[in-house]
Amino acid sequence: GDSVTQMEGPVTLSEEAFLTINCTYTATGYPSLFWYVQYPGEGLQLLLKATKADDKGSNKGFEATYRKETTSFHLEKGSVQVSDSAVYFCALTGGGSNYKLTFGKGTLLTVNP
Amino acid sequence: DTGVSQNPRHKITKRGQNVTFRCDPISEHNRLYWYRQTLGQGPEFLTYFQNEAQLEKSRLLSDRFSAERPKGSFSTLEIQRTEQGDSAMYLCASRHSGGEETQYFGPGTRLLVL
Repeated sequence: GDSVTQMEGPVTLSEEAFLTINCTYTATGYPSLFWYVQYPGEGLQLLLKATKADDKGSNKGFEATYRKETTSFHLEKGSVQVSDSAVYFCALTGGGSNYKLTFGKGTLLTVNP
Repeated sequence: DTGVSQNPRHKITKRGQNVTFRCDPISEHNRLYWYRQTLGQGPEFLTYFQNEAQLEKSRLLSDRFSAERPKGSFSTLEIQRTEQGDSAMYLCASRHSGGEETQYFGPGTRLLVL
């Protein structure tokens, strides 16, 4: 079945550091890929998405490129801020008509001033 | 557009009791999903509805769990004879079929079974 593997956390960075959170997937068909973010005490929010190979999703300075050849969708940001501290989830919707999301385990990011 | 709402936000119950959670999706979203998230894990799919029809249930959804969406608007998730292993965050999400794939999540209901 479909699965998502993302790098284990927690990740601790200083403000303005470069961020990469790795995500790889296994899926049948042609999945759409997502990054969701969960800020402390809040619900899941969509951060960015890509629906086909070589698409780049971007939002709030975060980027991720859909790489079909490496089945990856790594999240990057050039300069993190304290306000980026949150849990980040990589997810996919696989083949079929239900569009249910399959999530990775999440990566806790803490950014220190 | 008020977003997806869930009630209650927190529920503490004793083992063996029944609990019911409610989800109000974004209006005009005909697809509604339930997920469960345990500590340190990503959300896991439980079930989904298109309008009032429940179209898929995960194997995670034991016989003690039942979900309804009687009028194709709000949905309820009931857990009968709760067990300590049911302690988790229960998330609801909605989207409009035929439109963009993005699912919009509610804040969740955190259940603690003592």
